[in-house]
Amino acid sequence: GAGVSQSPSNKVTEKGKDVELRCDPISGHTALYWYRQSLGQGLEFLIYFQGNSAPDKSGLPSDRFSAERTGGSVSTLTIQRTQQEDSAVYLCASSPQTGNNNEQFFGPGTRLTVL
Amino acid sequence: AQSVAQPEDQVNVAEGNPLTVKCTYSVSGNPYLFWYVQYPNRGLQFLLKYITGDNLVKGSYGFEAEFNKSQTSFHLKKPSALVSDSALYFCAVRPNTGGFKTIFGAGTRLFVKA
Repeated sequence: GAGVSQSPSNKVTEKGKDVELRCDPISGHTALYWYRQSLGQGLEFLIYFQGNSAPDKSGLPSDRFSAERTGGSVSTLTIQRTQQEDSAVYLCASSPQTGNNNEQFFGPGTRLTVL
Repeated sequence: AQSVAQPEDQVNVAEGNPLTVKCTYSVSGNPYLFWYVQYPNRGLQFLLKYITGDNLVKGSYGFEAEFNKSQTSFHLKKPSALVSDSALYFCAVRPNTGGFKTIFGAGTRLFVKA
């Protein structure tokens, strides 16, 4: 079956520009997560969605970062006024239920490069 | 602060030998524990998890992990390594109360030599 998809797979942008990253979770999955993976680092939690609401935004690094989810499905992570330190792979994951004991299904990621 | 430690950046093992990838955590309460694997040019895949019960958990591809509460460890093991096991392995911890954050270790790269 179809897994989690993310687009674009690669994004190169100039410092100061805004970017939008898209995540299509597995159909029917209620929970959705965004992570950031920098070179040589583990995954850094950014935000968690339960349906369309985001009860945990604690990982967003600054107010330049925002995310939304519509229709309990597609999610968009927006980074405004990008900085070079934003360069990383951004991963999306979904889970069929909202409990903390459920495994997550990851997308292939979007590699963001800020010049 | 809550954290997950994978003390080895890299583990090298010969094919057919047993392998261990170490993970320790510092999270309050009784968290849920996970292992994920990232193969080259592929997304992270779930391997196994510990929720409650038997301390030895079996997962995909012949992997297993042993939960040790007193040592707050959750080491990943496999009795006989395959070259195809070469990948990046991540330990992850989620609290069972309050919050939805998953804390990941920095990852351990496993090289299995033929």
